[in-house]
Amino acid sequence: DTGVSQNPRHKITKRGQNVTFRCDPISEHNRLYWYRQTLGQGPEFLTYFQNEAQLEKSRLLSDRFSAERPKGSFSTLEIQRTEQGDSAMYLCASSLGPRNRLYEQYFGPGTRLTVT
Amino acid sequence: SQQGEEDPQALSIQEGENATMNCSYKTSINNLQWYRQNSGRGLVHLILIRSNEREKHSGRLRVTLDTSKKSSSLLITASRAADTASYFCATGDWETSGSRLTFGEGTQLTVNP
Repeated sequence: DTGVSQNPRHKITKRGQNVTFRCDPISEHNRLYWYRQTLGQGPEFLTYFQNEAQLEKSRLLSDRFSAERPKGSFSTLEIQRTEQGDSAMYLCASSLGPRNRLYEQYFGPGTRLTVT
Repeated sequence: SQQGEEDPQALSIQEGENATMNCSYKTSINNLQWYRQNSGRGLVHLILIRSNEREKHSGRLRVTLDTSKKSSSLLITASRAADTASYFCATGDWETSGSRLTFGEGTQLTVNP
């Protein structure tokens, strides 16, 4: 399968713990995005990378959240001192970017986080 | 915050019928996309329409875009039970919002066999 993959698929953690999620994009895609989705809502943008550079962050991304894409390939999203309000599905997507005007984003299956 | 609203929030039809979903948005865009999300699966890209296009077709899908009304519609013809899913519109404006997509709240479509 050459699609976007995310690990783990599910994570249950206690309030106050740190968690880290991983995303592996489609190999030739240079843009990588993180979104958060809560039940009954559409995804909300968190941040995106062009290769290894983090180019935009949403105000939803508090100081407790950090994302990296060290070699321009896979990315990690870390949440420190988790709160119950962090419970959501965290989605990763990748795209070729605006080159050749290809704007479609390809999504992974998501990581469902439950903070107890 | 969400870009806009989708209408209806939920739609239930019989197999073989057509399903129409509407999406409104607030800011300027240069493209609008529709995605489908099945229970337990990720978002799947369905179709993209650019701001200078008014209508686009892909298989059983037909999308329209009215930039003067800031609205779009997705028509699924001859629906099948496998079309049961949540459908989201998403807008992109590369000049002002970089690479992000801004999603609506979605329409839950149920196609009864």
